Amino acid sequence: GAGVSQSPSNKVTEKGKDVELRCDPISGHTALYWYRQSLGQGLEFLIYFQGNSAPDKSGLPSDRFSAERTGGSVSTLTIQRTQQEDSAVYLCASSSRTASSYNEQFFGPGTRLTVL
Amino acid sequence: AQSVSQHNHHVILSEAASLELGCNYSYGGTVNLFWYVQYPGQHLQLLLKYFSGDPLVKGIKGFEAEFIKSKFSFNLRKPSVQWSDTAEYFCAVKSAFGNEKLTFGTGTRLTIIP
Repeated sequence: GAGVSQSPSNKVTEKGKDVELRCDPISGHTALYWYRQSLGQGLEFLIYFQGNSAPDKSGLPSDRFSAERTGGSVSTLTIQRTQQEDSAVYLCASSSRTASSYNEQFFGPGTRLTVL
Repeated sequence: AQSVSQHNHHVILSEAASLELGCNYSYGGTVNLFWYVQYPGQHLQLLLKYFSGDPLVKGIKGFEAEFIKSKFSFNLRKPSVQWSDTAEYFCAVKSAFGNEKLTFGTGTRLTIIP
């Protein structure tokens, strides 16, 4: 596709339920990133995948959060036993790589998660 | 650890006014710097970036930013704003080598009054 796509666009869930958020990066982009945008908090890095390397999970806030990237393309962010503080917009971004570094990150529209 | 400060949380200007949004970062190494914009109802998009070379960088829609290494700053400027510039603006930094994750500021909401 032309840009990064995310689904669903909105998700309302009950506290304690598990949720899965999906990201389709731009075709050919080898790096994929997840960020979280909370009210008044700005954007917070969660995890990123680069090619076949082990992902950088340093931003995941707890072990309830996990992500995988299958086949080097689509990624799924899973939040188990959701809590109200997980309510936020979850953004995905992707970037391509030149010889020396990665290029700019292109962002998707986000998934707005509301935990009741 | 990297950090980014945007001291202006909400800026209100009239059309044709000049704009400067502050951004300061904290990081000991070489950095790449970015300004992203989020228009109402739209997703984040890149406004401009600095990787190396001329510290004055020009972006889309007449925006520019100046990297001042000694001040750890990367302020965003526009000489004459338009109503369509109403949006939220985010400054971001990443290490120039190795780690690709972006560290964002908390954003500045810009409201332009017609």
